[in-house]
Amino acid sequence: DAGITQSPRYKITETGRQVTLMCHQTWSHSYMFWYRQDLGHGLRLIYYSAAADITDKGEVPDGYVVSRSKTENFPLTLESATRSQTSVYFCASMGQGNGYTFGSGTRLTVV
Amino acid sequence: GENVEQHPSTLSVQEGDSAVIKCTYSDSASNYFPWYKQELGKRPQLIIDIRSNVGEKKDQRIAVTLNKTAKHFSLHITETQPEDSAVYFCAATPNTGFQKLVFGTGTRLLVSP
Repeated sequence: DAGITQSPRYKITETGRQVTLMCHQTWSHSYMFWYRQDLGHGLRLIYYSAAADITDKGEVPDGYVVSRSKTENFPLTLESATRSQTSVYFCASMGQGNGYTFGSGTRLTVV
Repeated sequence: GENVEQHPSTLSVQEGDSAVIKCTYSDSASNYFPWYKQELGKRPQLIIDIRSNVGEKKDQRIAVTLNKTAKHFSLHITETQPEDSAVYFCAATPNTGFQKLVFGTGTRLLVSP
């Protein structure tokens, strides 16, 4: 599904640094989501967005910030990275029928 | 909020056997229940879904059943093949007016030749 892309694919950063993960979709889907995936926890929702300039917190929002100035982009920023934020991050968008399409993920390591 | 529990966490079967993964949800108003398959190092991909007005749905070797009264739904894979080996996630959409999915913790399915 080339219609939703995430970058970077892998990222190593140091504790305390700011990191931004990018997500871009080409379908003009209104709904977009950020999940983190950790062993034993499955996929947990960080933030979501119903449209440009409309965002809201999910289950685990602390330490993260999002923006949605354009429909196609939904970046996720870790303001001051911590080791507990080491995870795989998936962006997703939702089209007709509720089904999500996920991006390929970003594997983030905080050292 | 909605809570989705998934069992078992791991499941090993022989090729050709059937596999069943079960999920329960807490919000009786949830109305959409998808299943995702995630191969190692890849993104989750939707394989089948069911809505609350339907009790069962089939797509070739996979099927999903929904029991609204008991608030549980299950994924059934028949005639399993090695390429079915993956992690499977169930999910539910709470009836909050916003279509965000709550996922189960996943089941690692291993199909041995």
